[in-house]
Amino acid sequence: KNEVEQSPQNLTAQEGEFITINCSYSVGISALHWLQQHPGGGIVSLFMLSSGKKKHGRLIATINIQEKHSSLHITASHPRDSAVYICAVRPSGNTPLVFGKGTRLSVIA
Amino acid sequence: DAGVIQSPRHEVTEMGQEVTLRCKPISGHDYLFWYRQTMMRGLELLIYFNNNVPIDDSGMPEDRFSAKMPNASFSTLKIQPSEPRDSAVYFCASRPGRDNSPLHFGNGTRLTVT
Repeated sequence: KNEVEQSPQNLTAQEGEFITINCSYSVGISALHWLQQHPGGGIVSLFMLSSGKKKHGRLIATINIQEKHSSLHITASHPRDSAVYICAVRPSGNTPLVFGKGTRLSVIA
Repeated sequence: DAGVIQSPRHEVTEMGQEVTLRCKPISGHDYLFWYRQTMMRGLELLIYFNNNVPIDDSGMPEDRFSAKMPNASFSTLKIQPSEPRDSAVYFCASRPGRDNSPLHFGNGTRLTVT
């Protein structure tokens, strides 16, 4: 069974800090997703990656397939980044995603 | 593109009542997923459809839960009879058929069973 573990569970940062959220999984995958969920809101897909690194604005996602590990980085964090960040993996092709429990991020001005 | 549309946004009902949640996926998406999210367990897959056919319903908690997809543009998740432990946010999501395409979520239905 593929387990997806995220750390930390909760994170509080000061505005401007560099933030890292980690995700580890236990079996081979075809892709890894990072999702963002704002309080009271829906869920938005941030990144989907199967190797290397992707960047979008202040967000960077990296994955190390050999180590079965991914990180989501936020540079120059801002209070509007406060949300739950969820890591999810797809074991193969068209199988459903397996989700981590999320990391709750609060960025304080 | 209006995205995945779910209704209602909020539902409060009494134990024992029937609850029906609705979802309209993005046009052209071949896959539709129903998820439940709670504080304790996070996001859990309940059931998913491919081209309107249920593929895996092993996540459906028990016989009180049922889901249908009568056509490509509509799906329902029904709970009958509802229980307080069913209180959660229920998300519908859809995606195209090609491998590893991103998932698009609806805004969810917050269900409270008293």
